[in-house]
Amino acid sequence: EAQVTQNPRYLITVTGKKLTVTCSQNMNHEYMSWYRQDPGLGLRQIYYSMNVEVTDKGDVPEGYKVSRKEKRNFPLILESPSPNQTSLYFCASSTGGYTEAFFGQGTRLTVV
Amino acid sequence: DQQVKQNSPSLSVQEGRISILNCDYTNSMFDYFLWYKKYPAEGPTFLISISSIKDKNEDGRFTVFLNKSAKHLSLHIVPSQPGDSAVYFCAASVPGGYQKVTFGIGTKLQVIP
Repeated sequence: EAQVTQNPRYLITVTGKKLTVTCSQNMNHEYMSWYRQDPGLGLRQIYYSMNVEVTDKGDVPEGYKVSRKEKRNFPLILESPSPNQTSLYFCASSTGGYTEAFFGQGTRLTVV
Repeated sequence: DQQVKQNSPSLSVQEGRISILNCDYTNSMFDYFLWYKKYPAEGPTFLISISSIKDKNEDGRFTVFLNKSAKHLSLHIVPSQPGDSAVYFCAASVPGGYQKVTFGIGTKLQVIP
């Protein structure tokens, strides 16, 4: 089954404790992205990747890092999480810029 | 500054009637538009898209209309069904795409049986 898998689905952590949210896709897609969804703000792009070792900032990259060492994986790293990064995070993948994206089920992160 | 605007946070429609969801954009460079549907506790799923060279695209009960001069697009669902109750996101991308996509804040549609 074609899918985008995020882990964990839920995470509560403390300020400053580094964490990684993993994302994996099994569709051999070149493009992958991370979004955060916040009430009244919709989905905002954090980072995106056009291929292995090629990444670029989206609209809200501050406080986040990404890496794309393999085509299927695109982890999101929060080196020092803060409460304003409490949000619902989505990973997505697609075949190209003018095609629809497939989204993971989301990771609800709470930073206290 | 929101480049993609969905000004109606919610919409209620009777089953069988038409649902019309609206989206406005400010960036004239956008040339590809998409609609996604999102159920609670799930990720968004693609619904329908339209290129700026077209003014209409249809897929079953779903039709998207694009008015470039007004920088406005709309999603029509006919007939509306209770299973259509979800949050609908409008999204847009610029030439070259590369997945740098801008989303609106979403409109919550409730279809009343």
